[in-house]
Amino acid sequence: KAGVTQTPRYLIKTRGQQVTLSCSPISGHRSVSWYQQTPGQGLQFLFEYFSETQRNKGNFPGRFSGRQFSNSRSEMNVSTLELGDSALYLCASRAQGTGLMNTEAFFGQGTRLTVV
Amino acid sequence: AQKVTQAQTEISVVEKEDVTLDCVYETRDTTYYLFWYKQPPSGELVFLIRRNSFDEQNEISGRYSWNFQKSTSSFNFTITASQVVDSAVYFCALSEARTGNQFYFGTGTSLTVIP
Repeated sequence: KAGVTQTPRYLIKTRGQQVTLSCSPISGHRSVSWYQQTPGQGLQFLFEYFSETQRNKGNFPGRFSGRQFSNSRSEMNVSTLELGDSALYLCASRAQGTGLMNTEAFFGQGTRLTVV
Repeated sequence: AQKVTQAQTEISVVEKEDVTLDCVYETRDTTYYLFWYKQPPSGELVFLIRRNSFDEQNEISGRYSWNFQKSTSSFNFTITASQVVDSAVYFCALSEARTGNQFYFGTGTSLTVIP
């Protein structure tokens, strides 16, 4: 069974540009969450999608957005990049639709974004 | 307010020693779940163990064991007979009923096992 796949693995962008990151969850998983990991702030929740709907959102500015497609693949977009957006962005997938909290999340290897 | 505290930033042990990673959490929910994840240098978070708030039974799974105590809001994780491959950053995480599927992660403990 394939794991969570995130593309690209590494990305270098210039301040002011926008970027789109992709996540393909484990087959059959309908919940996809995104996390930002930085040395200063640690792991922070960005948002969660389930069946193409955003179900929960963390405390990030509107420059951070996402979406989920009918095949459960998800993308996140960051517009007007700032130096502080440099981070490892991790995607996590979870299985069933109800009672999700008691299941573990499976994470991808992440996308390392560097903003210069 | 920080919900998960991992006071140990870095730990070094010699191979075959036992090591305990500490985790203290904070929540007002009566229904919540606690997790331990491992992050090797490759970056992905690897699931290790999970415990729900209704089950304080402590268990052992191979070389891993955990001690969940609601009275002290602690969820400590022990690796027995550590191996070099255990070297990684370990994260404790909390998931609450009222905030859905969001994980609150601690700041992580970097474990180095010296051969």
